[in-house]
Amino acid sequence: GQQLNQSPQSMFIQEGEDVSMNCTSSSIFNTWLWYKQDPGEGPVLLIALYKAGELTSNGRLTAQFGITRKDSFLNISASIPSDVGIYFCAGTPANAGGTSYGKLTFGQGTILTVHP
Amino acid sequence: KAGVTQTPRYLIKTRGQQVTLSCSPISGHRSVSWYQQTPGQGLQFLFEYFSETQRNKGNFPGRFSGRQFSNSRSEMNVSTLELGDSALYLCASSPSGEYSHEQFFGPGTRLTVL
Repeated sequence: GQQLNQSPQSMFIQEGEDVSMNCTSSSIFNTWLWYKQDPGEGPVLLIALYKAGELTSNGRLTAQFGITRKDSFLNISASIPSDVGIYFCAGTPANAGGTSYGKLTFGQGTILTVHP
Repeated sequence: KAGVTQTPRYLIKTRGQQVTLSCSPISGHRSVSWYQQTPGQGLQFLFEYFSETQRNKGNFPGRFSGRQFSNSRSEMNVSTLELGDSALYLCASSPSGEYSHEQFFGPGTRLTVL
């Protein structure tokens, strides 16, 4: 089935630094979403992207829908301790038809650690 | 609006037992999806329900089943539990229309099978 390759797998940064992570696929996606998950909780939707080239911000977070429609990027500026968590990319493949109903394909996640 | 709620939050069962998990979606959302999350496999799609009908199903054995009620609340059932079923089970609801791919997750039910 579809797979999303998310990198890096983990990041250790100092408070105040900027963070970048990305997600790639071998096939075209119609939608890209970014989620953050805290331990013991469900993922929280951060940003949703619907068009190739789209750049969307949510506070210190900025995400982009890649021009090729096969990738997406998430940037976090001026990181703070509460940014700690696991960040997931997710999306819906193009031409999936009925097999896409209610189904998001997820990346493996990026574990972010922020040192004060 | 209240978020997605799931009950119970934690469950401990033994092999061979069955379990039922419950999910209440965000008010107005008619689509409910279920996922299994494990450290090794990540988030795996189980199934999706819309207006009481299962529209999509992932690659899980028939021991995993679900249903949706007329008020959009959903339940999933796992019969004959196996050790490998230990996981965080997440449900997500999504709106209809152009933002239907935006899924909002509940806190999950942590199932431990002994």
